[in-house]
Parts: sequence; structure tokens; C-alpha cells
Amino acid sequence: ETGVTQSPTHLIKTRGQQVTLRCSSQSGHNTVSWYQQALGQGPQFIFQYYREEENGRGNFPPRFSGLQFPNYSSELNVNALELDDSALYLCASSRKTDSNEQFFGPGTRLTVL
Amino acid sequence: GQSLEQPSEVTAVEGAIVQINCTYQTSGFYGLSWYQQHDGGAPTFLSYNALDGLEETGRFSSFLSRSDSYGYLLLQELQMKDSASYFCAVREEGGTGGFKTIFGAGTRLFVKA
Repeated sequence: ETGVTQSPTHLIKTRGQQVTLRCSSQSGHNTVSWYQQALGQGPQFIFQYYREEENGRGNFPPRFSGLQFPNYSSELNVNALELDDSALYLCASSRKTDSNEQFFGPGTRLTVL
Repeated sequence: GQSLEQPSEVTAVEGAIVQINCTYQTSGFYGLSWYQQHDGGAPTFLSYNALDGLEETGRFSSFLSRSDSYGYLLLQELQMKDSASYFCAVREEGGTGGFKTIFGAGTRLFVKA
């Protein structure tokens, strides 16, 4: 157990809907990164948040957005859901932005129908 | 662009030694990390190399050669519980002052009795 929690565990949505996923980082960690992991693939970096600001972004469209709150918890929002958005969404917290050790939460399994 | 290559599958017997290779191509390099992920679980950090050479942590060791853009994870005294997916990951600049972590597609390790 890493101390990183995510909610919900599973979620089913239909194409075109919007979804919000939540993450609570490990105590003392001020940086949160979000990843998308398709079945049989490695995690794909979506973005990183530090001090409530986006601090690095991967190759994801603007309909993927996020927030970080003063207590370092974070949200991932996805608008206009597409079938290909079906995946495991992982958040990972770290002590600082350049930490190489990240602590992952259990993930949210999103299914888009 | 950035890319990481690692074998898709490796099979070994209990008690043996196995090496999982990773070659990478990135724009800027800030270290090579290794993560383990069991089916249905979250990735967990195993090791990190910033400089050339071997890092040892119990049964697991990791090696890096920056001049060859190559690293490997060495697992000794294999146990059945080591059956999992193993990901190499590199950290590079995220373009907005932060960093992003790029994961390989993963190597699925099967340990047989």
C-alpha cells in the first residue's frame, strides 16, 4: 500500500459524456502525475501537477484536464468521452517534481460504451 | 521523439536469474527507473539509475549505460511471486518547466516451477 488513493474504483460511461476521477496523494507529497494505461501497455503520461499548476503534459488533447488542490489532492477531467478512452487511469504522487520514485494509486478502471 | 524498447515476454524457472533489457531514445535524459506491476495491481517502484553502473537492491539489480542508451533489470533467485510485468521508464523535461515520465510497453515475466 502506497498511501495514494483513487476514486471511484470502476466507472462506466457512454460516449460523449464527461468524467471526473479523483486522487489523494501520499502524505508529504506535493506533486501528482496522471497516467492512462490501456490493457497490455505501459502507462502513458497525461500530465503532472505541482503547486496547483500543470507542470508537464504528454500527448493528450485538451479535453483531458486536471486540477490540484491546496491539500495536493487532484482531479482528472475528461470531456467528450470516446471509446478509446476506456483504460485504467493511474495517479502517482512524489515528493517533488524531479523525483524518480513515484507512488501509484490502485487506479480507476474507466469503460466507455 | 522518445521511445523505449523492451522484450514483450520472458520466461524463466524458479531459482534462476533473468535479465530484462531496455533501450531508450529521449530528448534529454534524467534517469532510468524500473517498476513492477502485478495483474490487477498498481506499478511499484523497484530501482533508479542516473549514472552509469550497477545499483543493487536485494535480489534486484539495475544497470545503466548512458553512452549506449541501454539499461537492464536483473532479477536473481527468482520466485513465483516475481511473475509480473516490468516497465522501464525515463524522465525527461515536460516542456513547461516540469518533467514527464515515459514508460516502455512492459516485459511480462513468467516464472515456472
